[in-house]
Amino acid sequence: EVQLVESGGGLVQPGRSLKLSCAASGFTFSNYYMAWVRQAPKKGLEWVATISTSGSRTYYPDSVKGRFTISRDNAKSSLYLQMNSLKSEDTATYYCARNSGDYWGQGVMVTVSS
Amino acid sequence: DVVMTQTPVSLPVSLGGQASISCRSSQSLVHSNGNTYLHWYLQKPGQSPQLLIYRVSNRFSGVPDRFSGSGSGTDFTLKISRVEPEDLGDYYCLQSTHFPDTFGAGTKLELK
Repeated sequence: EVQLVESGGGLVQPGRSLKLSCAASGFTFSNYYMAWVRQAPKKGLEWVATISTSGSRTYYPDSVKGRFTISRDNAKSSLYLQMNSLKSEDTATYYCARNSGDYWGQGVMVTVSS
Repeated sequence: DVVMTQTPVSLPVSLGGQASISCRSSQSLVHSNGNTYLHWYLQKPGQSPQLLIYRVSNRFSGVPDRFSGSGSGTDFTLKISRVEPEDLGDYYCLQSTHFPDTFGAGTKLELK
């Protein structure tokens, strides 16, 4: 059974950093592009980042480019999202997902507030 | 970025009835490889999105045949027949033909 379990969320002040993790199981992690998608409270879905199988290629929308960094450790079947210079508009539930969009984690809440 | 316009915003339905959701893109979703990367998701309250339909009309594993997707180019439709209580929630379309991936704003399927 495919499982994606996010961790690392919480309350953080504007301008500070936070790192999310996603533990994958039930499939060969190193064979899949992976992604992060977020959802602000009561709002729609927004793609945040994608990483290639080896980690050599990463992709971001303009809204987070230069502030967020996606990475992976294939030996640990883990995906990460380093978020720097956080803003109030980054407040959202962050989902880890296979980039094919077929499996998603349950999400982790990040609140950026003073 | 490709804008995905989803209608209606809210869709009241009766159990056992039929629902239809539209998704229109600001440019064609036909990829240079000939595929069309338009997908549909259902997000039930308190849960993460779950894939229903991929590449316009393909039902994901375990999705009942009450769900069907159709369309081409810039106009796409999700139809749900014989609506059941577990079908209620927020529906989203997603395009992954063009960078960056973009979602529709969502349609709330609720009881009439």
